[in-house]
Amino acid sequence: AQSVSQHNHHVILSEAASLELGCNYSYGGTVNLFWYVQYPGQHLQLLLKYFSGDPLVKGIKGFEAEFIKSKFSFNLRKPSVQWSDTAEYFCAVTPNNNNDMRFGAGTRLTVKP
Amino acid sequence: GAGVSQSPSNKVTEKGKDVELRCDPISGHTALYWYRQRLGQGLEFLIYFQGNSAPDKSGLPSDRFSAERTGESVSTLTIQRTQQEDSAVYLCASSLFSRGFYEQYFGPGTRLTVT
Repeated sequence: AQSVSQHNHHVILSEAASLELGCNYSYGGTVNLFWYVQYPGQHLQLLLKYFSGDPLVKGIKGFEAEFIKSKFSFNLRKPSVQWSDTAEYFCAVTPNNNNDMRFGAGTRLTVKP
Repeated sequence: GAGVSQSPSNKVTEKGKDVELRCDPISGHTALYWYRQRLGQGLEFLIYFQGNSAPDKSGLPSDRFSAERTGESVSTLTIQRTQQEDSAVYLCASSLFSRGFYEQYFGPGTRLTVT
């Protein structure tokens, strides 16, 4: 079955540490890739997205993600996290020809001040 | 403009009762989605509406679940004879069009607790 895997359930970092959250998917063919973030008490919101072109995508708040087609991966990175990055992060994938968006289980990030 | 709104924000119901959850999408968005998020799990697709086309109901877990949408406006998700395993946050999202590369905008969710 098609799936999206996020390897880390809960990540705890200190401020200024570097972040990488893993995301792998099992769809074949052309896909669209997304990272959504849910800050405590807030709605899910889009962090960044990849459709085509440069596989290194830059999003809001200093986040970036790299699409590696050969590895079916779309890992999220940030060079230096802040306490305000504490949130839950969801990777999502849709095949290019439909809107069947599948989400990973999410990774909870806790940044210690 | 206003974002996606959902009501109620919280709902506690007894096992066996029916519940109705409401979603108001962003004005002009033709696509509307319902998801379920159980504690500690990812978002589970339930149903999708695109304009006046027949909805994609492939994610509905049982025939106790149904949803309606009139045109490109409000949608309601109904769960009949609720069970404890229906306890979850139900999220609604809308997007401008239904193609996969259009961003989905999420509402705050309805937290359903079945006692």
